[in-house]
Amino acid sequence: DVKVTQSSRYLVKRTGEKVFLECVQDMDHENMFWYRQDPGLGLRLIYFSYDVKMKEKGDIPEGYSVSREKKERFSLILESASTNQTSMYLCASRPQGIAEAFFGQGTRLTVV
Amino acid sequence: KQEVTQIPAALSVPEGENLVLNCSFTDSAIYNLQWFRQDPGKGLTSLLLIQSSQREQTSGRLNASLDKSSGRSTLYIAASQPGDSATYLCAVRPSNAGNNRKLIWGLGTSLAVNP
Repeated sequence: DVKVTQSSRYLVKRTGEKVFLECVQDMDHENMFWYRQDPGLGLRLIYFSYDVKMKEKGDIPEGYSVSREKKERFSLILESASTNQTSMYLCASRPQGIAEAFFGQGTRLTVV
Repeated sequence: KQEVTQIPAALSVPEGENLVLNCSFTDSAIYNLQWFRQDPGKGLTSLLLIQSSQREQTSGRLNASLDKSSGRSTLYIAASQPGDSATYLCAVRPSNAGNNRKLIWGLGTSLAVNP
């Protein structure tokens, strides 16, 4: 069975902290994605990766960075958390080709 | 630029009704279209994936159709149940070069099935 696991369901961090969100998939997928989801704005792509150590900016990369040192793991980093980064963060993975995407359970991040 | 629209934004129906959720997209150059379900505060669950060469896909009480030329997809839910209450999202994968890795998302339809 397909499995995308995000390290935390809920997270509360202080303004200015460095925050790491981890995502692991067990399906050997090449592509991995980080989205944030906000009411009225839908899902917005932050970064994606199509191979180990490869990354591309999505639609809203400002204030974020990513790391993909191993195929199964894709980390989202908030260098200095701010209150406007309070959101639901969703990780997804997809194999090469025109195939289905699978999502993790989401991380609800609150920055205070 | 590809845009995806889902209408209505919210829907409330009595249990047992058959219902249709709509998804429209502005550019027919797509690889596929995928329907997802999202329960409150949770991640997304993939329901159905329709490739551009296909007309429909079925899974249990769910049937999704695709009319690429008119830029429309529908998700049909038969004999709705309270457990179907969730937000339903559709996403298309563009096939034009330079933009084909990302999904383009609708804002979703929030469905409430009342007992």
